[in-house]
Amino acid sequence: GAVVSQHPSRVICKSGTSVKIECRSLDFQATTMFWYRQFPKQSLMLMATSNEGSKATYEQGVEKDKFLINHASLTLSTLTVTSAHPEDSSFYICSAVNSGGNTDTQYFGPGTRLTVL
Amino acid sequence: AQTVTQSQPEMSVQEAETVTLSCTYDTSENNYYLFWYKQPPSRQMILVIRQEAYKQQNATENRFSVNFQKAAKSFSLKISDSQLGDTAMYFCAFMKSIYSGGGADGLTFGKGTHLIIQP
Repeated sequence: GAVVSQHPSRVICKSGTSVKIECRSLDFQATTMFWYRQFPKQSLMLMATSNEGSKATYEQGVEKDKFLINHASLTLSTLTVTSAHPEDSSFYICSAVNSGGNTDTQYFGPGTRLTVL
Repeated sequence: AQTVTQSQPEMSVQEAETVTLSCTYDTSENNYYLFWYKQPPSRQMILVIRQEAYKQQNATENRFSVNFQKAAKSFSLKISDSQLGDTAMYFCAFMKSIYSGGGADGLTFGKGTHLIIQP
C-alpha cells in the first residue's frame, strides 16, 4: 500500500516551453501533497504544499507563476514548469499524505528528471 | 524556521559492522517528528525510521535504531550488522506536528550522508 507514482520519469524539453509533471497517489486519497526539488548531489528542498481544492502554498523564493501547481482531485497533483530554462533542470519529487491514515508520514514518488536544453 | 545539520558528508564501513550517522536540528517547536530517509541510486526516497518528539523511547526498526536526545536536539541513526544493500544517501528530516496548527507540513532535510558499505 501507499504507492505514489510520477509521470513522466524523465523529460527533455527546449528552453521556453512548458512541462507538466503528474503526481498520483495510487491506493489512497491525499488531501495534501508536497513538491520538492533536488539538485545533483544535494538535498531535497521543499518548493510548495499542494492542497486539494485550494491554492498551493509556496516556499520563500519559489516563483508561483513559474511553478504552477494544481491539485484538482484527491489523488492527483500536477506541477507545471512554465517557460522552462536550463537553470530549471533538476530532479523533482512529490510526496503525499494519506488523508485517511497516518498524517505524519509522507510517501514519496520516484521523481522526475527534467532537462531543459 | 527549523534547520537540520548532518556533519558527515560520507562514511564508509565494512559489511557487518555497526555505523552511526549523526544529525542535529534546531527548532522552537515543541511538537514535531524526526525521520531518517534512505535514497539509493534509484533516487526513490525510502522511510527508514520515524520518531515522535513527545516519545522518550527511542524508535527501532529491525537493524535500525535511533538515539534521540531532545534537550540536545540530536537524532542519530545506528545501523547494526550493515549490509551491502544499505549503501545509499541517508537524509535526516524534520517535520512540524500537525497538532501545531496549519495541517500537514513539508519536510526540512539535512544535506545527507553518503554511506558506503564495503564487502
